[in-house]
Amino acid sequence: GIQVEQSPPDLILQEGANSTLRCNFSDSVNNLQWFHQNPWGQLINLFYIPSGTKQNGRLSATTVATERYSLLYISSSQTTDSGVYFCAVERYGNKLVFGAGTILRVKS
Amino acid sequence: GAGVSQSPSNKVTEKGKDVELRCDPISGHTALYWYRQRLGQGLEFLIYFQGNSAPDKSGLPSDRFSAERTGESVSTLTIQRTQQEDSAVYLCASSLLRDYEQYFGPGTRLTVT
Repeated sequence: GIQVEQSPPDLILQEGANSTLRCNFSDSVNNLQWFHQNPWGQLINLFYIPSGTKQNGRLSATTVATERYSLLYISSSQTTDSGVYFCAVERYGNKLVFGAGTILRVKS
Repeated sequence: GAGVSQSPSNKVTEKGKDVELRCDPISGHTALYWYRQRLGQGLEFLIYFQGNSAPDKSGLPSDRFSAERTGESVSTLTIQRTQQEDSAVYLCASSLLRDYEQYFGPGTRLTVT
């Protein structure tokens, strides 16, 4: 089945810093989503981005489908950005496969 | 509804008992999914519904696990004769159609003692 790798596994930032999270996947996909899992366990949709670039406030994401990777950019990080960031992909008619996540801690 | 809802939010049960977890998807969403998340790990797919049929049950870990869905509405995940390794958060998601963006509920935290 399709493999999803996220990097880095852990990241500690000072408030106000920028960061880039990466998601590599092993096959072509028709669905790619980024989620933020907050400390209470809720999965929050960040982006639905099988290809192209999207921006939402301080967050933006880019997926280069031909090269099988996606990047999530967090600018001017805040303590509320802490949590786990998951990338998940779906390959035509199959299940959504999650990466292992990036644990982000933003210190004030 | 405004989002996916799940009940109960927490469930503690004794080993060997049966449990039933409920999911209410977003109104109008035809696809519904169940996932399991063990402590500190990513999400594992369990089962997918399109309407009330389940074309993909490949993730169900054993025959103690079953699920059903009523039309394009509520789904229940049943775990029979619970074991300690079943302890996890069970998450439900729905999407307008298969392959569309999935939206997740808050999960049910199951603890088997």
